[in-house]
Amino acid sequence: NAGVTQTPKFRVLKTGQSMTLLCAQDMNHEYMYWYRQDPGMGLRLIHYSVGEGTTAKGEVPDGYNVSRLKKQNFLLGLESAAPSQTSVYFCASSYARGARETQYFGPGTRLLVL
Amino acid sequence: LAKTTQPISMDSYEGQEVNITCSHNNIATNDYITWYQQFPSQGPRFIIQGYKTKVTNEVASLFIPADRKSSTLSLPRVSLSDTAVYYCLVGDGRSNSGYALNFGKGTSLLVTP
Repeated sequence: NAGVTQTPKFRVLKTGQSMTLLCAQDMNHEYMYWYRQDPGMGLRLIHYSVGEGTTAKGEVPDGYNVSRLKKQNFLLGLESAAPSQTSVYFCASSYARGARETQYFGPGTRLLVL
Repeated sequence: LAKTTQPISMDSYEGQEVNITCSHNNIATNDYITWYQQFPSQGPRFIIQGYKTKVTNEVASLFIPADRKSSTLSLPRVSLSDTAVYYCLVGDGRSNSGYALNFGKGTSLLVTP
């Protein structure tokens, strides 16, 4: 099992450009999440999905959109990138929801917006 | 999710036992205590989870006193590869706000030779 994979690993964007981050999991998990992590801070939830075809907003959703067309994939889109979106983005998945359930994280995507 | 407080950083030498304590005074009856580990440039990974008393696995031990207002993650005989950030999380499986894991800032452990 590859677990949770993310592409790309690193990307540089100019302000106003758009891009899509791809997350894939092979554990047949229902729940998937996108977090961002900024220096010296914990992870903050951007969006999440409780199943194929469903998405919901997390703590910091502004400037991002998501889609879950297939159970194994969760896409994070930036329509018009801003320097404030420079961060490390982590995707995670879990079998069920709640703090008792282990979340499995991908290796992260490092994004720099100039 | 219950608020947690843990030291910002800790230093240790190789071979020593490291104990990281997390305070969670407002832990609820149904809450579990979970620890994650994050290596530099990687995503967090689950280490251990417990509800009360002591839990041990191949990586660490988790000590939880009877009042459950704190917990201690114990790493036996640390090595350089244990240098990481350790996060203490408290929550249950039934909370409607349980989608996000509240990682906070964690404890940055530095192990040196």
